[in-house]
Amino acid sequence: DIQMTQSPSTLSASVGDRVTISCRASQSISSWLAWYQQRPGKAPKLLIYRASSLESGVPLRFSGSGSGTEFTLTISSVQPDDFATYYCQQYNSYPFTFGPGTKVDIK
Amino acid sequence: EVQLVESGGGLIQPGGSLRLSCAASEFNVSDDYMSWVRQAPGKGLEWVSVIHRFGNTYYADSVKGRFTISRDTSKNTLYLQMNSLRAQDTAVYFCAREGNGFDLWGRGTLVIVSS
Repeated sequence: DIQMTQSPSTLSASVGDRVTISCRASQSISSWLAWYQQRPGKAPKLLIYRASSLESGVPLRFSGSGSGTEFTLTISSVQPDDFATYYCQQYNSYPFTFGPGTKVDIK
Repeated sequence: EVQLVESGGGLIQPGGSLRLSCAASEFNVSDDYMSWVRQAPGKGLEWVSVIHRFGNTYYADSVKGRFTISRDTSKNTLYLQMNSLRAQDTAVYFCAREGNGFDLWGRGTLVIVSS
């Protein structure tokens, strides 16, 4: 199985900050990586697919990059709605696996 | 509106069985790859199972042999039959449509396995 790791596990930020979350796969997954945002008590929401493609309706301040085993999610200017937990997920092969999550909270 | 609505969760004793349902609106579950993903209380996301357009199924090792995914095209509904339930199966269960990533999720249904 492909293991996914994320760093940091928690990140404190102020509104307007640039935020970067890293995700690493235990083996190459090409660009078969998605990023999700999850608010408490809600279902995850797809933000980025194929490592760098922005899902329809997602604000342009979100961007993704990387390929192979190293990936990054960037929020260019954090807004109040962005304080949530973020997960990466590989869909290169079954079983699909998620990273453990990065919680972005208010500094 | 395109949506997924799960039902069937509840409190069940260890060793018991439960069937979850996921009703789809405005698209056909048989035309897409459909998955179940779960989230234990306070924990991360865990993929559970998928059924492909042509009926192929795959399972996480943690549920293989105990859970069965299926669909009813006449009801446009996805199912997850869960047998031999364990305390570790306690979670919110989401159904999700697989495209490039999971692009559509239901709100989830809570399963609690406890005596």
